[in-house]
Amino acid sequence: DGGITQSPKYLFRKEGQNVTLSCEQNLNHDAMYWYRQDPGQGLRLIYYSQIVNDFQKGDIAEGYSVSREKKESFPLTVTSAQKNPTAFYLCASSIGGVGTEAFFGQGTRLTVV
Amino acid sequence: KQEVTQIPAALSVPEGENLVLNCSFTDSAIYNLQWFRQDPGKGLTSLLLIQSSQREQTSGRLNASLDKSSGRSTLYIAASQPGDSATYLCAPAKANAGGTSYGKLTFGQGTILTVHP
Repeated sequence: DGGITQSPKYLFRKEGQNVTLSCEQNLNHDAMYWYRQDPGQGLRLIYYSQIVNDFQKGDIAEGYSVSREKKESFPLTVTSAQKNPTAFYLCASSIGGVGTEAFFGQGTRLTVV
Repeated sequence: KQEVTQIPAALSVPEGENLVLNCSFTDSAIYNLQWFRQDPGKGLTSLLLIQSSQREQTSGRLNASLDKSSGRSTLYIAASQPGDSATYLCAPAKANAGGTSYGKLTFGQGTILTVHP
């Protein structure tokens, strides 16, 4: 089945450590996105990529990094510089171009212990 | 900066009722607007996508309308069922200066819907 796979589903990190969240899609979509969701707040855009080897910062990119070496993969690294990393992270993709529908993965819940 | 407000924040209704969920946004320069459903602890499921040139879109018991000039969208759910219980999110995608879109979505906080038997 086509879709977006995020792994792991739950992730625990000690303070000061970097962690990488995986996002893989087999929809042949050009565009991929990372959002963060906190209780009582809407989803906020962290990074997005329109094509391979290119990505742009979203609204809350500080403390995060990404890469887009392959069309199907868009991993997100939460660095130790991120002050409040505990959140639910969602990856999305779309065909790209104009007016296209976004599809989301099942999310990764990151907890700093 | 785009701001999205969804009203009501929560809604509890008996099964069978027709529902109206409201979404308002401050910047009318949008390319499209998407409605999503989110179950607890899960990702988002796309329900409807309305292009800025459209007035409404329908899928089964769901109907979404869009009034871009007034910054409003409404999701109608007909004959609600307990399985409709979830959080509903609306998300407009901003249009770029050239009239295209990078697909960046701005989300409201959602409407938590509970449909009881």
